[in-house]
Amino acid sequence: EVQLVQSRAEVKEPGESLKISCQGSAFKFSDYWIGWVRQMPGRGLESLGIVYGGDSDARYTPSFQGQVTISADKSISTAYLQLNSLKASDTATYYCARHQGNAFDIWGQGTMVTVSS
Amino acid sequence: QSVLTQPPSVSGAPGQRVTIACTGSSPNIGAGYDVHWYIQVPGTAPKLLLYGNNSRPSGVPDRFSVSKSGTSASLAITGLQPEDEADYYCQSYDTSLSGSIFGGGTRLTVL
Repeated sequence: EVQLVQSRAEVKEPGESLKISCQGSAFKFSDYWIGWVRQMPGRGLESLGIVYGGDSDARYTPSFQGQVTISADKSISTAYLQLNSLKASDTATYYCARHQGNAFDIWGQGTMVTVSS
Repeated sequence: QSVLTQPPSVSGAPGQRVTIACTGSSPNIGAGYDVHWYIQVPGTAPKLLLYGNNSRPSGVPDRFSVSKSGTSASLAITGLQPEDEADYYCQSYDTSLSGSIFGGGTRLTVL
């Protein structure tokens, strides 16, 4: 079964950093772009950017450029989302999703991130 | 404020037909980019519902269909069922942002 499995929920304090992982299986990871999507509590979906599994080429949505870092390691079929200097406003569920034909066809289960002192 | 505009909520009785509009502009839907739709049951991850020109992933019934005209798209659900109650999102590509954009989401309530 084609799937993306994300790392578990995290609780962090303001100012800390965090790296979320997303491992693909049952498809050729290096042939696909993987996207990251944020969903703040009670809010809609926001695209953060995409990364190519083959060479870690990352493209960011302008409003998130410099705020997040997206990367990929094809040797272990895993994409990453790094958040630095966490703020309470980073509290959200973060999803990875396989990007195909400009659609997101396979989604991870989501990683809930809570930033609180 | 989302680049794609959706009504916050729609509702219908079982068996009825409902539509959800997704309004964009010239850099996205108006430029001819495909509109894709997702369903999200609260507390779970979104799932692709429809993509491109009325294409459905395996398992999605043909009660769901889409149309597109100019700078807008619309999702239609016929024969409404209780399990259709969820949040629905449209998504497209925006050339001015050089990236994917989502609508704000529509909560469907089955009365």
